[in-house]
Amino acid sequence: GAGVSQSPSNKVTEKGKDVELRCDPISGHTALYWYRQSLGQGLEFLIYFQGNSAPDKSGLPSDRFSAERTGGSVSTLTIQRTQQEDSAVYFCASSLGAVLDTQYFGPGTRLTVL
Amino acid sequence: KNEVEQSPQNLTAQEGEFITINCSYSVGISALHWLQQHPGGGIVSLFMLSSGKKKHGRLIATINIQEKHSSLHITASHPRDSAVYICAVPNYGGSQGNLIFGKGTKLSVKP
Repeated sequence: GAGVSQSPSNKVTEKGKDVELRCDPISGHTALYWYRQSLGQGLEFLIYFQGNSAPDKSGLPSDRFSAERTGGSVSTLTIQRTQQEDSAVYFCASSLGAVLDTQYFGPGTRLTVL
Repeated sequence: KNEVEQSPQNLTAQEGEFITINCSYSVGISALHWLQQHPGGGIVSLFMLSSGKKKHGRLIATINIQEKHSSLHITASHPRDSAVYICAVPNYGGSQGNLIFGKGTKLSVKP
């Protein structure tokens, strides 16, 4: 079946602009995760959605970052007033249910802020 | 808050060698993830384990919950195993979805 998809695959924007990154999880997966990986750095947790529970937003680096998940499926990560340090690859992952399930990663969105 | 240490940071091996990558963490957890990041950037989950040992092909993962330590072994390594291997655990212990990742072990297998 289809895996996790993300769009766009690449995004170049100017400093100060807003961007939206989209994630389509595997159908039926109730848990969805956003991570980012800056150049040469490790993966960093951003936010985690589990079913209808309130999301764990503790990894969002500033109030310029927000995410929503509509209808328990598609998720959008929004970055307002982008800064150069926001440049990174943003990965989305989903899992069937509980945290102890395998996570399936999307191909990532490479964001470049000029 | 959990802390994750991986070793070695870089590893070069000859084809056919047995590989071991280690991961230690500081706060007790119920499960640990091993991930593989390909040279092109794609990420694949290799294992999620909460006790004992799991095997998938030439890959073996073990975990000792009491000692807060896990190892990933690759038997009969092959150049296609060249990748970055990453362990991840719940940031605040237990089984939360907020994961903290190790810095990764970059493996290069020479033919």
